[in-house]
Amino acid sequence: DAEITQSPRHKITETGRQVTLACHQTWNHNNMFWYRQDLGHGLRLIHYSYGVHDTNKGEVSDGYSVSRSNTEDLPLTLESAASSQTSVYFCASSEETGSNTEAFFGQGTRLTVV
Amino acid sequence: RKEVEQDPGPFNVPEGATVAFNCTYSNSASQSFFWYRQDCRKEPKLLMSVYSSGNEDGRFTAQLNRASQYISLLIRDSKLSDSATYLCAVTDSGYALNFGKGTSLLVTP
Repeated sequence: DAEITQSPRHKITETGRQVTLACHQTWNHNNMFWYRQDLGHGLRLIHYSYGVHDTNKGEVSDGYSVSRSNTEDLPLTLESAASSQTSVYFCASSEETGSNTEAFFGQGTRLTVV
Repeated sequence: RKEVEQDPGPFNVPEGATVAFNCTYSNSASQSFFWYRQDCRKEPKLLMSVYSSGNEDGRFTAQLNRASQYISLLIRDSKLSDSATYLCAVTDSGYALNFGKGTSLLVTP
């Protein structure tokens, strides 16, 4: 079965370190997204991509970057981790065509920056 | 001001009750509308897409009012298993989902 997986599921890192969260989907979806979820804020869009070599900033992109070198993967990099980036991160993917297209989410990565 | 707004709740209802959630969106050009369900510490999963004519899936009914820019979700005959957070989401010109903060529902015996 096709799926979307995130790794690691949990990570603790120190302030100032570079961290990369992986997202891999096997649906061959062109659209991929990264969200963070925090109490009181809900899900907020960080970056998204509509295809290989395409990346776009979302609502809360400062301090994050993504690259899309193939259809399956959209890694999220925290250039210099800050305590404010402690959060649960969700990756999602969806088909390119049509409206009302379902987005599928990974199981999330819980990141703690100490 | 957040683009998509929901009453955070929590809504505490007894089993068998009918409960309604509302969601408003600020962008009149929003194109697609959804309700997602999220269980504690899990990923969101699509509950229903919301169509202009309204749509029903078993005990769940979703409606869209474009003129007033709101979306609703009605749950009839609530079950204990309906306890979760319900997220309203809309898309604008692209495919990225804009989420509300979610409404928490607790169904009690």
